[in-house]
Amino acid sequence: SQQGEEDPQALSIQEGENATMNCSYKTSINNLQWYRQNSGRGLVHLILIRSNEREKHSGRLRVTLDTSKKSSSLLITASRAADTASYFCANGRGGKLIFGQGTELSVKP
Amino acid sequence: GAGVSQSPSNKVTEKGKDVELRCDPISGHTALYWYRQSLGQGLEFLIYFQGNSAPDKSGLPSDRFSAERTGGSVSTLTIQRTQQEDSAVYLCASSLEREAPGGQYFGPGTRLTVT
Repeated sequence: SQQGEEDPQALSIQEGENATMNCSYKTSINNLQWYRQNSGRGLVHLILIRSNEREKHSGRLRVTLDTSKKSSSLLITASRAADTASYFCANGRGGKLIFGQGTELSVKP
Repeated sequence: GAGVSQSPSNKVTEKGKDVELRCDPISGHTALYWYRQSLGQGLEFLIYFQGNSAPDKSGLPSDRFSAERTGGSVSTLTIQRTQQEDSAVYLCASSLEREAPGGQYFGPGTRLTVT
């Protein structure tokens, strides 16, 4: 069964705009991971943030974690059409991943 | 280098038949995972192997599902007496170690259709 929710379920933006996706989880975490899935490349790991971290950056990606609210957010800056994909957060606890339902991002050129 | 590979890429089987799905992880990765993805249930964890430890089978939906990992490398997921609700994409992933900073590397999946 899934744990946590993501919102929005779908997001449509113009190229160049920023995209923010939110994730809430129910149980404690060791880390929170974000993955991207599109038809061309399958499921790809984007970034991992540990439970003792509050913010992490990787290129155009910025992830925040608030363990008191059991929530995380993924910000993609200066979006590109190639960022069109589904984005999933995953609770990384005990090695395995428990995924949220995902956000479908559409970036229009 | 080579990524995670899975075979077959597609499998159509009749209800009640057994199927075997194969996963070749990235060489040197000690952890191997099986997940499945379906429209109704999203991405679900099934089973996790870490080195020589006993596997975490907590995600297997019924005793018709089993998996093994031979020689710490290749893994086979077996579904016995398939049911229509088993139709899904079965994804295998591997990682260098448990909770590796680089996350898990996923294969392309096996799309299973039970008719």
